[in-house]
Amino acid sequence: DAGVIQSPRHEVTEMGQEVTLRCKPISGHDYLFWYRQTMMRGLELLIYFNNNVPIDDSGMPEDRFSAKMPNASFSTLKIQPSEPRDSAVYFCASSQTSGRTHEQFFGPGTRLTVL
Amino acid sequence: AQSVTQLGSHVSVSEGALVLLRCNYSSSVPPYLFWYVQYPNQGLQLLLKYTSAATLVKGINGFEAEFKKSETSFHLTKPSAHMSDAAEYFCAVRGSTLGRLYFGRGTQLTVWP
Repeated sequence: DAGVIQSPRHEVTEMGQEVTLRCKPISGHDYLFWYRQTMMRGLELLIYFNNNVPIDDSGMPEDRFSAKMPNASFSTLKIQPSEPRDSAVYFCASSQTSGRTHEQFFGPGTRLTVL
Repeated sequence: AQSVTQLGSHVSVSEGALVLLRCNYSSSVPPYLFWYVQYPNQGLQLLLKYTSAATLVKGINGFEAEFKKSETSFHLTKPSAHMSDAAEYFCAVRGSTLGRLYFGRGTQLTVWP
């Protein structure tokens, strides 16, 4: 299996621009998670989905952030408008219920820089 | 409620020395516990997991962890550190809500030659 795929790997944008991060989970996994990692705040869970349905979005910082999962093999995290404080590494992870242990498999991350 | 506390945000050891990274957990359900490792500019990858079978769990790269219910601990150890072990290590506990893991703040391991 190719593992969790994220794109782009690096994104540099200017304040006010829209940013879209993409994730393809491991085939057969029914949970998908979006995390943000910064030096100051560590690893934060932003939102997660089960069978394409958002379960908990309480970690989404504000209305500028939105996430969708239109099908089992694709999810997006959108920031509009972006701000310099959004600069971070964003990780997508997936897991499957049938495994019961719910270990999560992480993608390589997208490093976002907002100027 | 579930939570994880990792004692020590930074640990430094000499090459060949014992590695001990501490993790204490809180869980309202029988815990499933995990250690993940993150190398620079990479995502997190699973080192080992405890799933209520053996209390001593062996993982990749010579790491192991022991589940101690009485101490609510799941410390990670390696008898002899190698330079390649330098990374950030995260302890996590499965939540009562299906699917979710709760991660600690991480411990940065530095290995000196």
